[in-house]
Amino acid sequence: GQQLNQSPQSMFIQEGEDVSMNCTSSSIFNTWLWYKQDPGEGPVLLIALYKAGELTSNGRLTAQFGITRKDSFLNISASIPSDVGIYFCAGHEETSGSRLTFGEGTQLTVNP
Amino acid sequence: GAVVSQHPSRVICKSGTSVKIECRSLDFQATTMFWYRQFPKKSLMLMATSNEGSKATYEQGVEKDKFLINHASLTLSTLTVTSAHPEDSSFYICSARDGAGRSSYEQYFGPGTRLTVT
Repeated sequence: GQQLNQSPQSMFIQEGEDVSMNCTSSSIFNTWLWYKQDPGEGPVLLIALYKAGELTSNGRLTAQFGITRKDSFLNISASIPSDVGIYFCAGHEETSGSRLTFGEGTQLTVNP
Repeated sequence: GAVVSQHPSRVICKSGTSVKIECRSLDFQATTMFWYRQFPKKSLMLMATSNEGSKATYEQGVEKDKFLINHASLTLSTLTVTSAHPEDSSFYICSARDGAGRSSYEQYFGPGTRLTVT
Protein backbone atom coordinates (compact mmCIF):
# COMPACT_ATOMS: atom_id res chain seq x y z
CA GLY A 1 0.00 0.00 0.00
CA GLN A 2 0.81 3.65 0.03
CA GLN A 3 3.79 4.54 2.21
CA LEU A 4 4.80 7.80 3.68
CA ASN A 5 8.43 8.79 3.59
CA GLN A 6 9.29 10.07 7.03
CA SER A 7 12.64 11.62 7.84
CA PRO A 8 14.89 11.56 9.59
CA GLN A 9 14.74 7.99 10.89
CA SER A 10 16.45 9.02 14.10
CA MET A 11 17.76 12.13 15.79
CA PHE A 12 20.12 12.63 18.70
CA ILE A 13 19.95 16.12 20.15
CA GLN A 14 20.84 18.09 23.24
CA GLU A 15 18.22 19.29 25.64
CA GLY A 16 17.04 22.76 24.63
CA GLU A 17 17.56 22.27 20.91
CA ASP A 18 14.80 22.56 18.36
CA VAL A 19 13.79 19.54 16.28
CA SER A 20 12.19 19.22 12.89
CA MET A 21 10.89 16.14 11.11
CA ASN A 22 8.77 15.70 8.01
CA CYS A 23 6.72 13.34 5.93
CA THR A 24 6.15 13.27 2.20
CA SER A 25 3.75 11.31 0.08
CA SER A 26 3.22 10.69 -3.60
CA SER A 27 -0.54 10.99 -3.04
CA ILE A 28 -2.68 13.90 -1.95
CA PHE A 29 -3.89 13.61 1.64
CA ASN A 30 -6.87 15.37 3.18
CA THR A 31 -5.76 14.85 6.77
CA TRP A 32 -2.35 14.76 8.41
CA LEU A 33 -1.85 13.50 11.95
CA TRP A 34 1.20 13.41 14.18
CA TYR A 35 1.56 10.85 16.97
CA LYS A 36 4.12 10.14 19.66
CA GLN A 37 4.77 6.66 20.98
CA ASP A 38 6.60 5.93 24.21
CA PRO A 39 8.22 2.50 24.67
CA GLY A 40 5.65 -0.20 25.39
CA GLU A 41 2.72 2.16 24.91
CA GLY A 42 0.25 3.00 22.18
CA PRO A 43 0.69 6.14 20.06
CA VAL A 44 -0.78 9.35 21.41
CA LEU A 45 -2.26 11.94 19.06
CA LEU A 46 -0.33 15.20 19.19
CA ILE A 47 -1.69 17.33 16.38
CA ALA A 48 -4.32 16.93 13.66
CA LEU A 49 -4.31 18.98 10.44
CA TYR A 50 -7.19 19.25 8.00
CA LYS A 51 -6.46 21.99 5.48
CA ALA A 52 -3.61 22.69 3.11
CA GLY A 53 -1.39 25.38 4.59
CA GLU A 54 -2.78 24.91 8.07
CA LEU A 55 -0.28 25.59 10.86
CA THR A 56 -1.24 24.28 14.29
CA SER A 57 0.52 24.38 17.63
CA ASN A 58 0.23 22.27 20.73
CA GLY A 59 2.53 23.71 23.38
CA ARG A 60 6.10 23.44 22.10
CA LEU A 61 4.94 21.45 19.10
CA THR A 62 4.02 22.98 15.78
CA ALA A 63 2.89 21.12 12.69
CA GLN A 64 1.98 22.23 9.20
CA PHE A 65 -0.09 20.73 6.41
CA GLY A 66 1.86 21.34 3.21
CA ILE A 67 0.39 23.48 0.47
CA THR A 68 0.72 20.67 -2.06
CA ARG A 69 -1.17 18.37 0.35
CA LYS A 70 1.61 15.85 -0.08
CA ASP A 71 3.72 16.72 2.92
CA SER A 72 3.69 17.78 6.53
CA PHE A 73 6.29 18.72 9.10
CA LEU A 74 6.47 18.68 12.87
CA ASN A 75 8.68 21.01 14.88
CA ILE A 76 9.50 20.68 18.55
CA SER A 77 11.02 23.71 20.18
CA ALA A 78 13.28 23.76 23.24
CA SER A 79 13.35 19.99 23.59
CA ILE A 80 13.27 18.36 27.02
CA PRO A 81 14.15 14.79 28.07
CA SER A 82 10.51 13.69 28.13
CA ASP A 83 10.27 14.42 24.40
CA VAL A 84 12.14 11.15 23.87
CA GLY A 85 10.10 8.65 21.88
CA ILE A 86 9.06 7.69 18.38
CA TYR A 87 7.11 10.22 16.36
CA PHE A 88 4.85 8.98 13.58
CA CYS A 89 3.12 10.93 10.88
CA ALA A 90 -0.10 9.52 9.49
CA GLY A 91 -2.22 10.62 6.60
CA HIS A 92 -5.63 9.95 5.18
CA GLU A 93 -6.46 9.91 1.49
CA GLU A 94 -9.95 9.79 0.00
CA THR A 95 -9.50 6.39 -1.60
CA SER A 96 -8.53 4.59 1.60
CA GLY A 97 -11.87 4.47 3.38
CA SER A 98 -11.23 5.15 7.06
CA ARG A 99 -7.71 3.76 7.06
CA LEU A 100 -4.61 5.80 7.82
CA THR A 101 -1.21 5.45 6.22
CA PHE A 102 1.67 5.68 8.67
CA GLY A 103 5.22 6.84 8.26
CA GLU A 104 8.09 4.69 9.48
CA GLY A 105 8.68 6.87 12.48
CA THR A 106 11.39 9.19 13.78
CA GLN A 107 13.19 8.00 16.90
CA LEU A 108 14.10 11.04 19.00
CA THR A 109 16.74 10.92 21.69
CA VAL A 110 17.31 13.96 23.90
CA ASN A 111 20.51 14.14 25.90
CA PRO A 112 20.22 16.12 29.13
CA GLY B 1 -11.66 12.65 26.22
CA ALA B 2 -11.05 10.01 23.54
CA VAL B 3 -9.67 7.35 25.87
CA VAL B 4 -9.18 3.81 24.64
CA SER B 5 -8.35 0.95 26.97
CA GLN B 6 -6.91 -2.42 26.08
CA HIS B 7 -6.80 -5.58 28.14
CA PRO B 8 -4.67 -7.42 28.98
CA SER B 9 -1.53 -5.32 28.73
CA ARG B 10 0.66 -8.42 28.73
CA VAL B 11 -0.11 -12.06 28.14
CA ILE B 12 2.03 -15.15 27.93
CA CYS B 13 0.43 -18.25 26.48
CA LYS B 14 1.48 -21.68 25.33
CA SER B 15 1.70 -22.60 21.71
CA GLY B 16 -1.62 -23.92 20.41
CA THR B 17 -3.82 -21.99 22.78
CA SER B 18 -6.03 -19.00 21.96
CA VAL B 19 -5.81 -15.53 23.41
CA LYS B 20 -8.44 -12.81 23.46
CA ILE B 21 -7.59 -9.12 23.59
CA GLU B 22 -10.23 -6.52 24.39
CA CYS B 23 -10.33 -2.95 23.18
CA ARG B 24 -12.77 -0.46 24.67
CA SER B 25 -13.54 3.17 23.93
CA LEU B 26 -14.25 4.62 27.36
CA ASP B 27 -15.75 8.02 26.68
CA PHE B 28 -16.97 7.93 23.11
CA GLN B 29 -18.73 5.66 20.69
CA ALA B 30 -16.47 4.07 18.13
CA THR B 31 -18.20 3.09 14.95
CA THR B 32 -14.88 1.93 13.58
CA MET B 33 -12.04 0.18 15.39
CA PHE B 34 -8.71 -0.90 14.01
CA TRP B 35 -6.25 -3.59 14.99
CA TYR B 36 -2.55 -3.13 14.39
CA ARG B 37 0.52 -5.23 14.93
CA GLN B 38 3.89 -3.66 15.63
CA PHE B 39 7.29 -5.30 15.40
CA PRO B 40 10.25 -3.90 17.34
CA LYS B 41 11.47 -0.59 15.99
CA LYS B 42 8.91 -0.72 13.19
CA SER B 43 5.83 1.21 12.24
CA LEU B 44 2.26 0.13 12.79
CA MET B 45 0.96 -2.58 10.50
CA LEU B 46 -2.81 -2.53 10.03
CA MET B 47 -4.33 -5.97 10.40
CA ALA B 48 -8.02 -5.25 10.07
CA THR B 49 -10.74 -2.65 10.28
CA SER B 50 -13.91 -3.47 12.11
CA ASN B 51 -17.24 -1.70 12.04
CA GLU B 52 -19.82 -2.24 14.73
CA GLY B 53 -22.24 -4.94 13.80
CA SER B 54 -20.52 -6.06 10.63
CA LYS B 55 -17.69 -8.33 9.62
CA ALA B 56 -14.17 -7.03 9.86
CA THR B 57 -12.20 -6.12 6.76
CA TYR B 58 -8.81 -7.76 6.82
CA GLU B 59 -5.68 -6.47 5.16
CA GLN B 60 -3.96 -8.56 2.54
CA GLY B 61 -1.94 -11.36 4.06
CA VAL B 62 -3.77 -11.37 7.40
CA GLU B 63 -5.51 -14.68 8.08
CA LYS B 64 -9.06 -13.97 9.18
CA ASP B 65 -9.49 -17.47 10.62
CA LYS B 66 -6.45 -16.99 12.80
CA PHE B 67 -7.14 -13.46 13.94
CA LEU B 68 -10.83 -13.37 14.82
CA ILE B 69 -12.28 -9.91 15.29
CA ASN B 70 -15.61 -9.13 16.87
CA HIS B 71 -17.04 -5.62 17.16
CA ALA B 72 -20.17 -6.34 19.13
CA SER B 73 -20.93 -2.87 20.40
CA LEU B 74 -19.98 0.74 19.80
CA THR B 75 -17.48 0.60 22.63
CA LEU B 76 -15.96 -2.88 22.41
CA SER B 77 -13.95 -4.81 19.89
CA THR B 78 -12.08 -8.04 20.54
CA LEU B 79 -9.20 -9.73 18.76
CA THR B 80 -8.75 -13.44 19.32
CA VAL B 81 -5.49 -15.01 18.24
CA THR B 82 -6.39 -18.65 17.65
CA SER B 83 -3.95 -21.54 17.92
CA ALA B 84 -1.16 -19.14 18.73
CA HIS B 85 2.40 -19.91 17.67
CA PRO B 86 5.67 -18.28 18.68
CA GLU B 87 5.69 -16.24 15.46
CA ASP B 88 2.47 -14.58 16.63
CA SER B 89 4.39 -13.01 19.49
CA SER B 90 4.16 -9.28 18.99
CA PHE B 91 2.77 -5.98 20.23
CA TYR B 92 -0.89 -5.65 19.27
CA ILE B 93 -2.51 -2.23 19.40
CA CYS B 94 -6.10 -1.25 18.80
CA SER B 95 -7.45 2.15 17.87
CA ALA B 96 -10.86 3.68 17.60
CA ARG B 97 -12.42 6.38 15.50
CA ASP B 98 -14.99 8.62 17.12
CA GLY B 99 -18.36 7.97 15.55
CA ALA B 100 -19.55 11.49 16.27
CA GLY B 101 -17.89 12.29 12.99
CA ARG B 102 -16.61 15.71 13.63
CA SER B 103 -14.81 15.49 10.39
CA SER B 104 -12.24 13.43 11.27
CA TYR B 105 -10.13 10.43 10.57
CA GLU B 106 -8.36 10.75 13.87
CA GLN B 107 -7.67 7.44 15.54
CA TYR B 108 -7.20 7.10 19.27
CA PHE B 109 -4.99 4.24 20.34
CA GLY B 110 -5.11 1.83 23.22
CA PRO B 111 -1.98 1.18 25.30
CA GLY B 112 -1.22 -2.07 23.46
CA THR B 113 -0.96 -5.73 24.42
CA ARG B 114 2.35 -7.56 24.49
CA LEU B 115 1.72 -11.17 23.46
CA THR B 116 4.37 -13.78 24.06
CA VAL B 117 3.75 -17.32 22.83
CA THR B 118 6.02 -19.96 24.32
